[in-house]
Amino acid sequence: GIQVEQSPPDLILQEGANSTLRCNFSDSVNNLQWFHQNPWGQLINLFYIPSGTKQNGRLSATTVATERYSLLYISSSQTTDSGVYFCAATRDDKIIFGKGTRLHILP
Amino acid sequence: GAGVSQSPSNKVTEKGKDVELRCDPISGHTALYWYRQSLGQGLEFLIYFQGNSAPDKSGLPSDRFSAERTGGSVSTLTIQRTQQEDSAVYLCASSFVQGGTEAFFGQGTRLTVV
Repeated sequence: GIQVEQSPPDLILQEGANSTLRCNFSDSVNNLQWFHQNPWGQLINLFYIPSGTKQNGRLSATTVATERYSLLYISSSQTTDSGVYFCAATRDDKIIFGKGTRLHILP
Repeated sequence: GAGVSQSPSNKVTEKGKDVELRCDPISGHTALYWYRQSLGQGLEFLIYFQGNSAPDKSGLPSDRFSAERTGGSVSTLTIQRTQQEDSAVYLCASSFVQGGTEAFFGQGTRLTVV
């Protein structure tokens, strides 16, 4: 089955810094999503982005499907951005998650 | 409903007991997914439904796990003879159609087997 790998596994940044999270997938996918899991465990939808670039406030994402990767950009980080960021790729009707990037934003 | 709803939010059960976890998907969503997340880990795919049919059950960890969906809506995940290693958060998601549209998650059921 498809493999989804995320990097880095952990990231510690000072408030106000920018960050780039990467997601590589091993095969072509039907779609790709980015989620933020907050400290209460809730998975919040960030982007549904099978290809191209989208922006939402301080967050943006780019998926290059032909090269099998997606990037999540967070600008001007805030402490509320802390948590785990997951990417999830869909192929053959299964949504497969990466292991996540744990982001710590220090005040 | 407005979102995916799971119940109960928390469940503590004794080892060896059976438990049922419920998922109410977003109204009109035909695809439904179950995942398991152990403490500090990623999401492990368990099973998905298209309508009431589960084409692939290979993600279920053992034959103690089963799931069903009725009326193309509510789904129940049943764990028989629970073991301590079953302790985890069980998450449910739904999407409008299979594979090609955005999926939304419920808040999860935290299962603790003592």
